[in-house]
Amino acid sequence: QQQVKQSPQSLIVQKGGISIINCAYENTAFDYFPWYQQFPGKGPALLIAIRPDVSEKKEGRFTISFNKSAKQFSLHIMDSQPGDSATYFCAASGSFGNEKLTFGTGTRLTIIP
Amino acid sequence: GAVVSQHPSWVICKSGTSVKIECRSLDFQATTMFWYRQFPKQSLMLMATSNEGSKATYEQGVEKDKFLINHASLTLSTLTVTSAHPEDSSFYICSARGRDRGTNSPLHFGNGTRLTVT
Repeated sequence: QQQVKQSPQSLIVQKGGISIINCAYENTAFDYFPWYQQFPGKGPALLIAIRPDVSEKKEGRFTISFNKSAKQFSLHIMDSQPGDSATYFCAASGSFGNEKLTFGTGTRLTIIP
Repeated sequence: GAVVSQHPSWVICKSGTSVKIECRSLDFQATTMFWYRQFPKQSLMLMATSNEGSKATYEQGVEKDKFLINHASLTLSTLTVTSAHPEDSSFYICSARGRDRGTNSPLHFGNGTRLTVT
């Protein structure tokens, strides 16, 4: 019940396109859903996070869409750029983020010119 | 913004030796620090949760006598890999959460330590 399932495992998107990564969770106690970006040899960096009281959150080119009834959330990267090429992890936590994070399996995103 | 510094960034050691990795919160006080392990092209696996001044809580399957965690101050936690073996070779990452943070307290991650045991 603690799993967070992430798809796809890898994704190739053309520059300027929209990158979409999906996650699904099982634990209904989760109430904080962040996305992290990780470059090779570096630690993850927080991109954007959402709570289940809203269905969408946008920060610049990054948008999280959240479907509470389906227990799914997704990351959309608009106008994808080569610099966005990285591995993206979704995660989930309870107590509004004050508990330990459960990470998804990761998506390796490659933006091609 | 909040910065977590991890040192060293990479280390090579011989089998049977011990290695200490430091994790420091540079501009905030971290009441809780987490230690993760990441194998190539895989997700982050939580090893243990460390609270300042108390014993770390280890995840199932993590040997507490092999991976010693100390969180002696609000800005420093250390992970010591004792009697390292080649199978301990991995990328170790710490993260920290500040004190008196409200809801949605974000975790700040260090840049990781690449451990290679020969």
